[in-house]
Amino acid sequence: KAGVTQTPRYLIKTRGQQVTLSCSPISGHRSVSWYQQTPGQGLQFLFEYFSETQRNKGNFPGRFSGRQFSNSRSEMNVSTLELGDSALYLCASSLPADTEAFFGQGTRLTVV
Amino acid sequence: ELKVEQNPLFLSMQEGKNYTIYCNYSTTSDRLYWYRQDPGKSLESLFVLLSNGAVKQEGRLMASLDTKARLSTLHITAAVHDLSATYFCAGTMEYGNKLVFGAGTILRVKS
Repeated sequence: KAGVTQTPRYLIKTRGQQVTLSCSPISGHRSVSWYQQTPGQGLQFLFEYFSETQRNKGNFPGRFSGRQFSNSRSEMNVSTLELGDSALYLCASSLPADTEAFFGQGTRLTVV
Repeated sequence: ELKVEQNPLFLSMQEGKNYTIYCNYSTTSDRLYWYRQDPGKSLESLFVLLSNGAVKQEGRLMASLDTKARLSTLHITAAVHDLSATYFCAGTMEYGNKLVFGAGTILRVKS
């Protein structure tokens, strides 16, 4: 059974650029959540999508956005990158019944 | 707003010893999760605790949940080096899968 797949695994971007990260959930999982992990702030919730609708949102600026497609794959976009956006971005998927959340390997974003 | 606090934040243990990581949360949480993270890796799900008094065990790790005290514990029995990792607890309070994580406990098991 394939796990949660995130692409790309590593990214280096320049301040001011934008970036799109992708997450393919486990087959049959319709909920996809995104988290940012940094040494200073720890693991912070960004947003959750369920059946193509944003169901929950964390306390991040509008530069962070996401979407979910009909096949449950999700993308998150960060515009006008700042140095502080450098982080490990993790995606998690779960079944509709809000049970266990399985995490992907993450995308490590470095902003220079 | 749900807040999750773990302690200790750093734990250095000798192999063969027992210890407990504590996870306190501020308001009612529907579920309590424990995850393990190795350096540079993603989060591996260890336990999901759904109800008061729930106890789950896997190998040398045992997790429990006391919803009245708003406390979950992760007990490590006879630690081995392979258990060295960072352990996170997380709770949820809203509809859906918004996880609120503790700061994590860095566990180092010394031989």
